[in-house]
Amino acid sequence: EVQLVESGGGLVKPGGSLRLSCAASGFTFSTYNMNWVRQAPGKGLEWVSSISSSSNYIYYADSLKGRFTISRDNAKNSLYLEMNSLRAEDTAVYYCARVSAVAGNHFDYWGQGTLVTVSS
Amino acid sequence: EIVMTQSPATLSVSPGERATLSCRASQSVSGNLAWYQQKPGQAPRLLIYGASTRATGIPARFSGSGSGTEFTLTISSLQSEDFAVYYCQQYNNWPRTFGQGTKVEI
Repeated sequence: EVQLVESGGGLVKPGGSLRLSCAASGFTFSTYNMNWVRQAPGKGLEWVSSISSSSNYIYYADSLKGRFTISRDNAKNSLYLEMNSLRAEDTAVYYCARVSAVAGNHFDYWGQGTLVTVSS
Repeated sequence: EIVMTQSPATLSVSPGERATLSCRASQSVSGNLAWYQQKPGQAPRLLIYGASTRATGIPARFSGSGSGTEFTLTISSLQSEDFAVYYCQQYNNWPRTFGQGTKVEI
């Protein structure tokens, strides 16, 4: 069974940093591209970042460049999101999502999310 | 950036009725469009990919159509468990973008 479990969320002050993790199991993690998607309270989904299976290709939402860094450790079956210079508007549930290996680049499995709250 | 616009924002329907949700892209995304369902407190769930292919385990009452810039998700006969928010997403271009969602309510 495919499982994605996020962790690392919590309360952080504006300007602070946080590192999110996503532990993957039930599939060969090293062969899948992965993403982070966030959802502010009561709002819609916002794509954050994407990383290819071997970390060769990395993409970010334009609004986040320079503050967030996506990475992965295929030996540990884990995806990460390093978030710096956090702002109130970064408050959201952060989901990791797997890119399907079937035709297309849709997101076929999602974790349950981890809540990041940026507040003083 | 491709802007995805969903309509209506809220759709009020009764169980057993048909629901039609629309998604428009600001430029062509070919057939690279997915639909997701999200219930309160839950993660999104993939319903449709490639504009019209149902994901594994998705009931046949869900169907998708369209290509280019105009897409539709149809729920043929709404069940109680279908009341949720539905999002479209394009994965043809970077950055990946989602619509703002359509809430299907009673």
